[in-house]
Amino acid sequence: AQSVAQPEDQVNVAEGNPLTVKCTYSVSGNPYLFWYVQYPNRGLQFLLKYITGDNLVKGSYGFEAEFNKSQTSFHLKKPSALVSDSALYFCAVTSGNFNKFYFGSGTKLNVKP
Amino acid sequence: NAGVTQTPKFQVLKTGQSMTLQCAQDMNHEYMSWYRQDPGMGLRLIHYSVGAGITDQGEVPNGYNVSRSTTEDFPLRLLSAAPSQTSVYFCASSYSYGSQGAYEQYFGPGTRLTVT
Repeated sequence: AQSVAQPEDQVNVAEGNPLTVKCTYSVSGNPYLFWYVQYPNRGLQFLLKYITGDNLVKGSYGFEAEFNKSQTSFHLKKPSALVSDSALYFCAVTSGNFNKFYFGSGTKLNVKP
Repeated sequence: NAGVTQTPKFQVLKTGQSMTLQCAQDMNHEYMSWYRQDPGMGLRLIHYSVGAGITDQGEVPNGYNVSRSTTEDFPLRLLSAAPSQTSVYFCASSYSYGSQGAYEQYFGPGTRLTVT
């Protein structure tokens, strides 16, 4: 069975500090990994994805994520957090026929001024 | 482009009632999907479609029906609503998946459904 785990329900960081939102996955084949962000009362917006190639992928709004196959992780990072980054973040994975996607439970990011 | 649109935004149903959640996209995407979002559980895939006339079950399909008669539209039907179906429902679309690769999904604004 395929699954995604986001071990932290909430992450608190101060503005200007680096942030990390953790994601680990479990799939039977090669994973395709995604990060999405959700602002209150809105749908999800795509941030970045890993398909193949360089383990460090860069995405929208200065976010990046590092794929680590040995640790089955795909952590989201940003060097300097902004208050406007405060939102709910979801990690997602697909594998196999690539038509079914599995989302984590979400991590609420709070960036304080 | 309007992107992915969903109607209605809010809906209250009584147990046993039926309804259809509408979803439309104007990006000529082949792949469309329905998710439900529940607190602490993230998004769970209900049904998906890889093109007109082709649908398949996701992770939590029970109690829901779908059809795909056109590329643009992918309605979700609740035949007999139950309180357990109280949730926020999101429709999403993307270019087709498969051996060519996976593409990011575009999500609609969601429908908040309450079943009493």
